Amino acid sequence: DVVMTQSPLSLPVTLGQPASISCRSSQSLVYSDGNTYLSWFQQRPGHSPRRLIYRVSNRDSGVPDRFSGSGSGSDFTLKISRVEAEDVGVYYCMEGTHSWTFGQGTRVEIK
Amino acid sequence: EVQVVESGGTLVQPGRSLRLSCTTSGFTFGDYVMTWVRQAPGKGLEWVGFVREKGTTEYAASVRGRFTISRDDSKSIAYLQMNSLKIEDTGVYYCARAPPWELPDWWGQGTMVTVSS
Repeated sequence: DVVMTQSPLSLPVTLGQPASISCRSSQSLVYSDGNTYLSWFQQRPGHSPRRLIYRVSNRDSGVPDRFSGSGSGSDFTLKISRVEAEDVGVYYCMEGTHSWTFGQGTRVEIK
Repeated sequence: EVQVVESGGTLVQPGRSLRLSCTTSGFTFGDYVMTWVRQAPGKGLEWVGFVREKGTTEYAASVRGRFTISRDDSKSIAYLQMNSLKIEDTGVYYCARAPPWELPDWWGQGTMVTVSS
């Protein structure tokens, strides 16, 4: 089974400063069709998850451009260029190449 | 407007069964994979399983053989039949749609299932 490992698990950030979350998979996420099925989700306190990024680096409609995804193979990153108060919550990576698996989640909080 | 609404969550005893429903509108239901994801209290997200557009299914190892996902395209509803429930099945159950070959892009608000004697 694929294991998705996020770091850090907790990320205190100053408003206006950048933040970066790492997600590593135990196997390559490149599918036989050449695509890499890795998404990022945001879960604000008391809310349902919301997809931010699909296929590594494609931002969903309505997602602010301060969010960006990058990476390849088994090593991926979500970056927030300037953290705002509304970005507080837990962020999950998820792979869809093998058998749909989430990372443990990274809690982003304001210092 | 896309809507995904879960229902059926309740308190149930260990070993019993429960069926959750996921009622949708605002999109062509038959064109999407429908998936269930759960979240134990204070924990992270866990994928439960999905039903593809043509009705085939996949499940997480933790629920395989106990849970069944199905769909009724005529009603735009997906179901999660949960049998032999265990205490560790307690949590919020989310239904979400996923475009073909993509991960879930629209989630419901969740329904709470509590397994306790």
